Amino acid sequence: QLQLQESGPGLVKPSETLSLTCTVSGGSIISNDYYWGWVRQPPGKGLEWIGTIFYSGITYYKPSLKSRVTISADTSKNQFSLNLSSVTAADTAMYYCVTDRRGRGDYWGQGALVTVSS
Amino acid sequence: QSALTQPPSASGSPGQSVTISCTGTSSDVGGYNYVSWYQHHPGKAPKLIIYEVDKRPSGVPARFSGSKSGNTASLTVSGLQAEDEADYYCNSFVAYFAGNFVVFGGGTKLTVL
Repeated sequence: QLQLQESGPGLVKPSETLSLTCTVSGGSIISNDYYWGWVRQPPGKGLEWIGTIFYSGITYYKPSLKSRVTISADTSKNQFSLNLSSVTAADTAMYYCVTDRRGRGDYWGQGALVTVSS
Repeated sequence: QSALTQPPSASGSPGQSVTISCTGTSSDVGGYNYVSWYQHHPGKAPKLIIYEVDKRPSGVPARFSGSKSGNTASLTVSGLQAEDEADYYCNSFVAYFAGNFVVFGGGTKLTVL
């Protein structure tokens, strides 16, 4: 049974870079079964897919976020990470890491609340 | 890429059935059989309840079913129970020339009366 856990700062200043890490346990991210993704939910709003990575390094990003998003994987630590640059208050959200198979998210982390504020 | 369209709210009494729609385009919902549905209770992680239009993960009750016609996917919850009250989201896989991505619907709040 895969388990995912997000970690990172809960407060980020405007214009800075939001960085979160997802640690995977119960299985390896070196897997042909899953991509590894990030989804967020701003307060009072719906879910938004951010992007996904395959262990080999192949990445896909939401087109409107592509210029600010980088997702990377560290297979030695069984982790993958999200970097979102030039953040504004609109990036305040609960951020979830999730397994991804063409939108099928079988396993989710519990979420990490990130607030963008000075 | 626009979000998929879901009704903001739906409701039904215990024991009744309710259907939630998810409308996209031929580039997303209509173009692929990769539509998933999630149940989201506040304060918890979303839970996958339907994938690939009409498949249920192990452990999801048969009361939850999915279907698709053209550019619209649907989630039906039969025999409504109090614990079904939650937000429900659909999503669809999209492949285009610059890469793949996933688009979510805006979510539907299901109230069990």
